[in-house]
Amino acid sequence: DVKVTQSSRYLVKRTGEKVFLECVQDMDHENMFWYRQDPGLGLRLIYFSYDVKMKEKGDIPEGYSVSREKKERFSLILESASTNQTSMYLCASSLYRGYEQFFGPGTRLTVL
Amino acid sequence: AQKVTQAQTEISVVEKEDVTLDCVYETRDTTYYLFWYKQPPSGELVFLIRRNSFDEQNEISGRYSWNFQKSTSSFNFTITASQVVDSAVYFCALSTTSGTYKYIFGTGTRLKVLA
Repeated sequence: DVKVTQSSRYLVKRTGEKVFLECVQDMDHENMFWYRQDPGLGLRLIYFSYDVKMKEKGDIPEGYSVSREKKERFSLILESASTNQTSMYLCASSLYRGYEQFFGPGTRLTVL
Repeated sequence: AQKVTQAQTEISVVEKEDVTLDCVYETRDTTYYLFWYKQPPSGELVFLIRRNSFDEQNEISGRYSWNFQKSTSSFNFTITASQVVDSAVYFCALSTTSGTYKYIFGTGTRLKVLA
């Protein structure tokens, strides 16, 4: 079974803090993704990566950056957290581009 | 433009009833994939099915069945004899790989199965 793990289930940060959300997958998938999920808005893609060192912006990249130094690890960075970044963050991976994605349990981030 | 519409925001049924979740998609691509995911109260999205645009054959897996109709751009999901454990949010999604990669989720349908 594919396993995608995220570093925290719940996180509380203060406005202006730098926040790191980490995601690790154990199935040697090339493709990894970061989404945020908000009520009524579904899942919105923040960033994705098709290969190590490679990243592409999704639909809502503003205020975020990512890092992928190793194939199995994809980190989402909030350089200066703001209250409108309070959300559920979901990491996913897929074997092939366009195929099904496998999701981690999510991190519920609250920015005060 | 690509889009996935799940018009049903929330559905409530009584256990053992059949229920159909609707999904309508828009894309100009000829090659695409359609998916359904389940998000139970625990929060983790679980992949249920993938369908490619060239395969309109319906699929059945236990109590779950999927009806793909290109003529109406729909990919509907039916749960037969629903159970309380089916209570979850269900997402339909579309992916295309031509040109700029796109993976689009609908806004989800919350299904409540009452005992």
